[in-house]
Amino acid sequence: DVKVTQSSRYLVKRTGEKVFLECVQDMDHENMFWYRQDPGLGLRLIYFSYDVKMKEKGDIPEGYSVSREKKERFSLILESASTNQTSMYLCASRNAGTGEEQYFGPGTRLTVT
Amino acid sequence: QQQVKQSPQSLIVQKGGISIINCAYENTAFDYFPWYQQFPGKGPALLIAIRPDVSEKKEGRFTISFNKSAKQFSLHIMDSQPGDSATYFCAASRRGGGNKLTFGTGTQLKVEL
Repeated sequence: DVKVTQSSRYLVKRTGEKVFLECVQDMDHENMFWYRQDPGLGLRLIYFSYDVKMKEKGDIPEGYSVSREKKERFSLILESASTNQTSMYLCASRNAGTGEEQYFGPGTRLTVT
Repeated sequence: QQQVKQSPQSLIVQKGGISIINCAYENTAFDYFPWYQQFPGKGPALLIAIRPDVSEKKEGRFTISFNKSAKQFSLHIMDSQPGDSATYFCAASRRGGGNKLTFGTGTQLKVEL
């Protein structure tokens, strides 16, 4: 089974802090994604990565950056956390060669106070 | 700009009834339409998906109906069960767009005994 793990289930940070959210997948997938999920807004794509060291902005990249130094790991960075970044963050991965399905992690609920 | 519109936002169905969730899209380049199911505390998981070359796809109690001319697709859950209570997201993507998914806003389904 594909397994996507996220470093924290719950995280509380202060405004202005630098925040790192980590995601690891164990199936050698090329593509990885970061979404945020907010009630009434669904899932919105922040950034995605086609492969190692490759990244592309999604629909809402402002205030975020990403890093993908190894194939299995995709990090989301909030350079200076703000209260409007309080949300559920979901990571997903996908095998670029064999199908469309994205496999999601359990999510990190981030609260910025 | 919301490219995939989903309704209703919430739905209550009696056990054994039919649950119907609707989605409409704007981008005619979309060529893959999945539905994801999300239980509380979990990440979304692929439930069923369709491509526009067919008008219907059925997997067990779950059916996608697709209307290309109207740019609409819907999820039907037959014989709804309490275990189907979850949030459902429709989505769409296109080849050549990195297969990035554009999600609807979600429908919270509750199946009552």
